[in-house]
Amino acid sequence: EDKVVQSPLSLVVHEGDTVTLNCSYEVTNFRSLLWYKQEKKAPTFLFMLTSSGIEKKSGRLSSILDKKELFSILNITATQTGDSAIYLCAPGIQGAQKLVFGQGTRLTINP
Amino acid sequence: DGGITQSPKYLFRKEGQNVTLSCEQNLNHDAMYWYRQDPGQGLRLIYYSQIVNDFQKGDIAEGYSVSREKKESFPLTVTSAQKNPTAFYLCASSTDLTLSYGYTFGSGTRLTVV
Repeated sequence: EDKVVQSPLSLVVHEGDTVTLNCSYEVTNFRSLLWYKQEKKAPTFLFMLTSSGIEKKSGRLSSILDKKELFSILNITATQTGDSAIYLCAPGIQGAQKLVFGQGTRLTINP
Repeated sequence: DGGITQSPKYLFRKEGQNVTLSCEQNLNHDAMYWYRQDPGQGLRLIYYSQIVNDFQKGDIAEGYSVSREKKESFPLTVTSAQKNPTAFYLCASSTDLTLSYGYTFGSGTRLTVV
C-alpha cells in the first residue's frame, strides 16, 4: 500500500523565521514528487521533483528530493504571513497516472 | 480563461439522499480525478478517469459513483451507501498521463449531510 507521511502536522512560527517541512514516502513505481500549497480551497502547484539532490528554488521557497532515503523537504526562508497555508506533498505513480497525497502540514505564520 | 469549475461551492443534503457534484474543465485535459479532504487529513482519491467512457476506483470508492461521457465533464455522485459523506470534495485534471505538469484543481465543493 502506498504511504506518504508529512511532518510536522502543524507548525506555528513568527514572521521572519525559516521553516523546514518534511515528506517521507513509500510508493510503488515512483515517478516524481510534487508539492502544493493550499490556502483556502484549491491547492496550487509549487514544485515537481524527479531527480535526487537537485534543489529547486522559487523565491524564498526551495525543495529537494532524496530518492535513496525516500524523502523530500520544503524550505521556506524569511517567512511571511502570506505563507500561512496547508502544504501538501504528493508522489506521482508511474503507470497509474495518479498522485498520492500526504496529510499535509498546516503552517501558521504569526506577525 | 481555461480552468476547472466545480459546482456548487456549498451543498447541504439530508441523510439518505443521493447527491451529484459537478466538475467541468475546458483545458482539453485527458485525465480527471476526484479527491476527498477531511479536517486534519490529506487528499484521498475516490475515482479517476484517463479517457472518456473509462474510469478506475481510487482508495475510497465505496459509496461513490462517477461517469465520463464527455472529455470535459466528470460528475461525482455521493450515494446513500457512503457512511460519512460530509467532507470537502476536490476535482482535478491533468494535461498528460505522465503527470509531468501535475494537476490543476477546481475550487472544491463542501458537502454537509444533516
